[in-house]
Amino acid sequence: KAGVTQTPRYLIKTRGQQVTLSCSPISGHRSVSWYQQTPGQGLQFLFEYFSETQRNKGNFPGRFSGRQFSNSRSEMNVSTLELGDSALYLCASSLAPGGGTGELFFGEGSRLTVL
Amino acid sequence: EDQVTQSPEALRLQEGESSSLNCSYTVSGLRGLFWYRQDPGKGPEFLFTLYSAGEEKEKERLKATLTKKESFLHITAPKPEDSATYLCAVYWGSQGNLIFGKGTKLSVKP
Repeated sequence: KAGVTQTPRYLIKTRGQQVTLSCSPISGHRSVSWYQQTPGQGLQFLFEYFSETQRNKGNFPGRFSGRQFSNSRSEMNVSTLELGDSALYLCASSLAPGGGTGELFFGEGSRLTVL
Repeated sequence: EDQVTQSPEALRLQEGESSSLNCSYTVSGLRGLFWYRQDPGKGPEFLFTLYSAGEEKEKERLKATLTKKESFLHITAPKPEDSATYLCAVYWGSQGNLIFGKGTKLSVKP
């Protein structure tokens, strides 16, 4: 069974640009959540989608947005990039929304560097 | 103020030297506490879910326990392959919020 696939794995952008990251969940999983991981702040929740609807959103500015498609694939977008957006962005999929069982299956992440 | 605190930040053990990692939380309305393992360059890997105080879960050399305000991950006779960062996360509140601790980086030397 294929795991969670995130693309691209690495990318470098400059301040002011925008970026789109993609996540393909495990087949049959309808819930996708996104996290930002940095050495100083650890893993921070960005947002969660279930059946194309955003269920929950973390405390991030509006420059961070996402969406989910009918095949459960998800994308997140960061506009007007800032140096502080440099991080590992992780996507996780699960059968049920809300992470209630804790059984989140994570991808390997997209490492974004903003110069 | 951090709502989920893990200690120590880093732990170095000799192979076979048992120890415990701590995860304390201050949220109310806990619905679940989760432990994950994260290897360098990888996403976290799910280990355990604990739902109520007194609950214990075991997997190989790992045992997780939960009290009303903290959880422990006990590692018995660790091996070098247990080296990783261990993350805990709490799921709480009526809307279902998930907060991660910053992790404990475990190094096991042969």
